[in-house]
Amino acid sequence: GAVVSQHPSWVICKSGTSVKIECRSLDFQATTMFWYRQFPKQSLMLMATSNEGSKATYEQGVEKDKFLINHASLTLSTLTVTSAHPEDSSFYICSASSGSHSYEQYFGPGTRLTVT
Amino acid sequence: GENVEQHPSTLSVQEGDSAVIKCTYSDSASNYFPWYKQELGKRPQLIIDIRSNVGEKKDQRIAVTLNKTAKHFSLHITETQPEDSAVYFCAASMGGNKLVFGAGTILRVKS
Repeated sequence: GAVVSQHPSWVICKSGTSVKIECRSLDFQATTMFWYRQFPKQSLMLMATSNEGSKATYEQGVEKDKFLINHASLTLSTLTVTSAHPEDSSFYICSASSGSHSYEQYFGPGTRLTVT
Repeated sequence: GENVEQHPSTLSVQEGDSAVIKCTYSDSASNYFPWYKQELGKRPQLIIDIRSNVGEKKDQRIAVTLNKTAKHFSLHITETQPEDSAVYFCAASMGGNKLVFGAGTILRVKS
């Protein structure tokens, strides 16, 4: 149980374009999903928290207009990187949690984004 | 906000030996402490976790200890095997079910 998928697994895009990443909980309802960014050989940096049906909460320093997050259902959250630049190239990982009193987070496989 | 420090950054052990990774946290309100294992290019996998009402938890070769007073917790891996080689992250809970992660420890098990 507690399987989270992410799509695509990798994507290459040109500067100025937008990229959408999907995160799905396959066998449980995720009331909360988290989006992280991970640079090579570094830790997971939380970008934002999304709760189903409400606006995402962004961490300090994360541009909400650049990283659009939508959590339309209990099994799907999307992250759209708008007007991508090479410095946005990174490994983006989502995680899902099943309840407001549940701290356990289950991670997706990640999306490798390369902006050329 | 919460701050989690993790040591060591790299750890090499001989196969069969034990490995210990330590983390300290700053927020006394934190009450959930998971450990994740991440292999290169893959997702972090939850390997064990502990809550603040428990001092120790064990699952086969893996154990976690928590000292709430000192605000530190540790991961212990016994009888290490080459497949234990990976990056290990500790984390501590903060408000809103969020987790703050340590910087990670690269564990290398030499056969």
